[in-house]
Amino acid sequence: AAGVIQSPRHLIKEKRETATLKCYPIPRHDTVYWYQQGPGQDPQFLISFYEKMQSDKGSIPDRFSAQQFSDYHSELNMSSLELGDSALYFCASSLEQGLNTEAFFGQGTRLTVV
Amino acid sequence: AQKVTQAQTEISVVEKEDVTLDCVYETRDTTYYLFWYKQPPSGELVFLIRRNSFDEQNEISGRYSWNFQKSTSSFNFTITASQVVDSAVYFCALSEPPGAGSARQLTFGSGTQLTVLP
Repeated sequence: AAGVIQSPRHLIKEKRETATLKCYPIPRHDTVYWYQQGPGQDPQFLISFYEKMQSDKGSIPDRFSAQQFSDYHSELNMSSLELGDSALYFCASSLEQGLNTEAFFGQGTRLTVV
Repeated sequence: AQKVTQAQTEISVVEKEDVTLDCVYETRDTTYYLFWYKQPPSGELVFLIRRNSFDEQNEISGRYSWNFQKSTSSFNFTITASQVVDSAVYFCALSEPPGAGSARQLTFGSGTQLTVLP
């Protein structure tokens, strides 16, 4: 079965550079979530989109932005990168119908800022 | 606000031992979901179980079992006859129903690093 696809799997950037992470949800899923997991930390919710509209915002820095496109894929744009942005970034997708849904996670993008 | 506490930061057991990972949660909602995820060294988050707040039946899946007790706000996870491949970080997570126009987000506990020694 198709899963959530994230690209790239690994990314190395220098301080002050920009990065774009991509997420391709499971087909027919209409909701995408982004999480950030720092080293030794638990995943923290950043932002979510439902039907291409931002639906919830968590602890996402102002330097980051995200959107969901017409084909439901999502991109997380990160500018003015800082060393502290080094983390594992997860995307998850779900089909929001009633309460009986669950989020399926991608394999993550490991971003290293040097 | 919702909160998930996994008091055990690290646990080491010897292969074939049973081990229980604790999870305590806080929520003001009466309808919510609880999850367990496994994160092996490779980094991906592997879904293990989802339980809704109205279903307090314990569940067993192979060597895994879960004990949900609403009275104590706990959702503990037991691995029977542990194996080296069970070594991973295990996260407990909670989600509440989304508001109008909102999606569901997960609140994770801080995770328990389980090491199973041969």
